[in-house]
Amino acid sequence: GEDVEQSLFLSVREGDSSVINCTYTDSSSTYLYWYKQEPGAGLQLLTYIFSNMDMKQDQRLTVLLNKKDKHLSLRIADTQTGDSAIYFCAEKGYTGRRALTFGSGTRLQVQP
Amino acid sequence: DTAVSQTPKYLVTQMGNDKSIKCEQNLGHDTMYWYKQDSKKFLKIMFSYNNKELIINETVPNRFSPKSPDKAHLNLHINSLELGDSAVYFCASSQDEGVQETQYFGPGTRLLVL
Repeated sequence: GEDVEQSLFLSVREGDSSVINCTYTDSSSTYLYWYKQEPGAGLQLLTYIFSNMDMKQDQRLTVLLNKKDKHLSLRIADTQTGDSAIYFCAEKGYTGRRALTFGSGTRLQVQP
Repeated sequence: DTAVSQTPKYLVTQMGNDKSIKCEQNLGHDTMYWYKQDSKKFLKIMFSYNNKELIINETVPNRFSPKSPDKAHLNLHINSLELGDSAVYFCASSQDEGVQETQYFGPGTRLLVL
């Protein structure tokens, strides 16, 4: 079955770059997503990447996809305290199953 | 202007009760979902409906029954609530056509069973 894994915790200083990593097993993944969840809040879509791309940049966010290694990363440049949240990696396969398979989430703590 | 809305936001109830959570989307999407987030923040699909038809039904106790009266609404009814049902339940929707098929999530319903 599909499996998505992430490290549980990352701590950085304000102004540094953050890199959150994710690995997945489903080779038929079509889209991969990053969602952000702030405390007590819902899931906010940050960005997505199609499986035939290897990089996507959106302002402070850079997504890198290594399809051969099934590795996805999210880089946040100039990390701010407001970026403190849980970041979820999710993948959607090609099998007609439209549901997302989520990683366990990486809690990002930004220290001033 | 809320895209995906859920009611109630918080639900505290006793074991054994029956409760419903409602979800509505005004995005014109064809597919709606229920996800469960447990205390460790792990998110897992429960159900998915496409144009009012059930297309995904994961291994969920049959005490949980989704109902979609129209494609803009997907409700979740839970019978005989148990302590282990305490979680955050998220509704989401997506469009079948289009490049992203991105799922948009509601704010969540925090259910606490005492």
